[in-house]
Amino acid sequence: DAKTTQPTSMDCAEGRAANLPCNHSTISGNEYVYWYRQIHSQGPQYIIHGLKNNETNEMASLIITEDRKSSTLILPHATLRDTAVYYCIVRDWGKLQFGAGTQVVVTP
Amino acid sequence: GAVVSQHPSRVICKSGTSVKIECRSLDFQATTMFWYRQFPKQSLMLMATSNEGSKATYEQGVEKDKFLINHASLTLSTLTVTSAHPEDSSFYICSARDIGTSGGVYEQFFGPGTRLTVL
Repeated sequence: DAKTTQPTSMDCAEGRAANLPCNHSTISGNEYVYWYRQIHSQGPQYIIHGLKNNETNEMASLIITEDRKSSTLILPHATLRDTAVYYCIVRDWGKLQFGAGTQVVVTP
Repeated sequence: GAVVSQHPSRVICKSGTSVKIECRSLDFQATTMFWYRQFPKQSLMLMATSNEGSKATYEQGVEKDKFLINHASLTLSTLTVTSAHPEDSSFYICSARDIGTSGGVYEQFFGPGTRLTVL
């Protein structure tokens, strides 16, 4: 599965949109982009996934570039409860392998 | 999303004893379950993949005789840490793949984790 690169940490103001970037330049044609988050001392929570089209659900939006080499997870109105480590993972039918992720801290 | 439970949520044991952790998919069937381990301030590390009715596949460096995995039904997998030692103290998280998801894309759901402390 392709590797991903994410910033180590990000701060975001409560009520503002949080844009989380992810680079996956070696992604192959049949690999999906998945986003999970982990709040401290809990199991990871599924957020969203996509192949090449932009996706939106009740939690977030996923914007994938046309060449699929990068993507952005958007939390439209960040709340304090969105403070977590966010993981961008690329895979096809394989296992979910977690990288270091981005520590997002939402501040009042 | 679907619910995955783990039991116990927290366990403290003495060095040399064995500990069993249960993972259940509550509202869906899972032919495949995964076990992860997470040390403080680190990311999740995949330990093994468990398929219902067959032997688990372990990641490189994970001792299969120490971490016994049983996946006897479509809703239950267990991880037994045998002869636990303080270095086995960690956060153990299971995950289940939803068999019902179609189109070659599936969601994978995680349990809340089990905090193991070996004294």
